[in-house]
Amino acid sequence: GAVVSQHPSWVICKSGTSVKIECRSLDFQATTMFWYRQFPKQSLMLMATSNEGSKATYEQGVEKDKFLINHASLTLSTLTVTSAHPEDSSFYICSEVVETSTDTQYFGPGTRLTVL
Amino acid sequence: DAKTTQPPSMDCAEGRAANLPCNHSTISGNEYVYWYRQIHSQGPQYIIHGLKNNETNEMASLIITEDRKSSTLILPHATLRDTAVYYCIVAFGGNTGKLIFGQGTTLQVKP
Repeated sequence: GAVVSQHPSWVICKSGTSVKIECRSLDFQATTMFWYRQFPKQSLMLMATSNEGSKATYEQGVEKDKFLINHASLTLSTLTVTSAHPEDSSFYICSEVVETSTDTQYFGPGTRLTVL
Repeated sequence: DAKTTQPPSMDCAEGRAANLPCNHSTISGNEYVYWYRQIHSQGPQYIIHGLKNNETNEMASLIITEDRKSSTLILPHATLRDTAVYYCIVAFGGNTGKLIFGQGTTLQVKP
């Protein structure tokens, strides 16, 4: 399977600051990446679809101006949480689609964001 | 909303086969059945997927009923490291295949 990395693995920030999370595809080129978040004891929730070279597509209820996604290359997508607040504290996970005969999604290890 | 129904929890004895059921009665003809698992505080791990035929890989076997309305994931010899939340997901493949996660099945493998 594909290897996806995320950086940082965890981050603590003060309320009102912005945090950038990187998602890298280490062994495949990914034209499409997905961003999810997961609150404690809940399932993953899809936030947005990140397409290389174009604007991201956000799911209903996800604020595009708050969660900025940039997919400038085939191996890197970034998620910036702007003006973070304690309710944004969550586990953020990215995934990439490996365009082979199986077209399978592979997930990164996740980033734990805590906003104080 | 997720298009699958799974039991919230299951137990399995170490070394025995774990059979995890999933109902997906509204699956469409071009949708795949994917299985992922998530160990605590990690990203989901791909296990297996199939369209119509049964599939087997080094991790598990996937049995899909002929009418495709349900499936079973089989871990042939469960170990303690297989304790995780298992998600059954119905989705189109590729870049259009957004994965909608339900609550999954928490599998507890016991010694």
